[in-house]
Amino acid sequence: KQEVTQIPAALSVPEGENLVLNCSFTDSAIYNLQWFRQDPGKGLTSLLLIQSSQREQTSGRLNASLDKSSGRSTLYIAASQPGDSATYLCAVSNSGYSTLTFGKGTMLLVSP
Amino acid sequence: DTGVSQDPRHKITKRGQNVTFRCDPISEHNRLYWYRQTLGQGPEFLTYFQNEAQLEKSRLLSDRFSAERPKGSFSTLEIQRTEQGDSAMYLCASSPISDRATDTQYFGPGTRLTVL
Repeated sequence: KQEVTQIPAALSVPEGENLVLNCSFTDSAIYNLQWFRQDPGKGLTSLLLIQSSQREQTSGRLNASLDKSSGRSTLYIAASQPGDSATYLCAVSNSGYSTLTFGKGTMLLVSP
Repeated sequence: DTGVSQDPRHKITKRGQNVTFRCDPISEHNRLYWYRQTLGQGPEFLTYFQNEAQLEKSRLLSDRFSAERPKGSFSTLEIQRTEQGDSAMYLCASSPISDRATDTQYFGPGTRLTVL
C-alpha cells in the first residue's frame, strides 16, 4: 500500500525567504507526482505535475523535483510571499485508474 | 469552462439522517473521483467513475455510502444513517481521459459535512 509522508508538518518563515517542502513515498512504481495548494476550507489547486520519467518541473517561483528511485520529491518556493500561505499537499498516482494518494500536507505561514 | 462545482457547500445534519451531495465535473471530462478529507489529514480516495461506470471503490466506502453517475455527467454521493465519524470535507475531482502519466485532476470546492 502506497504511503506518502510530508515534512515538515508546519513551517513559518518571514517574507522573502526561499524554502523547501519535502515529500516521500514508499512505492516507487508511480505514474506521476503532483503538488497541490489548499487554502483554508477550500478545494485543491494543482501547482505542478511531474511525470515519472521527469526529474523536475518549474512554474514561476515554484520548482518541484522528483527522485523516483529514492521515493522523494521536493517543492522549492523562491522569494516567499504572504500570499503563499496555505497548506501544500503532495500526491502520487500509481493505480491503473490514476487515483491519488496524498500526504497530510505542510501548513506554510509566510509573515510580512 | 466553469470548473468543477459541488452542491451544497455546507451541510449540517443530525446523526442517523441521510444526506446527498452533488458534483458537476468539467464538461467532457470522462473521469470523476470522490475523496474525503478530515481535519489535519490529506484527502483519501473513496471512489472513481469512468463515464457512467464505477470502476473502483475504496474500503473506506462502507455499505452506508453509495455513489452514482447517471449518463456519465454529474455524480451524487449519498450517505445513509450518518454517523459523527462521517463529518469531513467531501471533495470531487474530474479529469479527461489521457495518458495516465500526464493526468491532472481538477478539484471542486468541496462539501463540508457536519454530523451532530
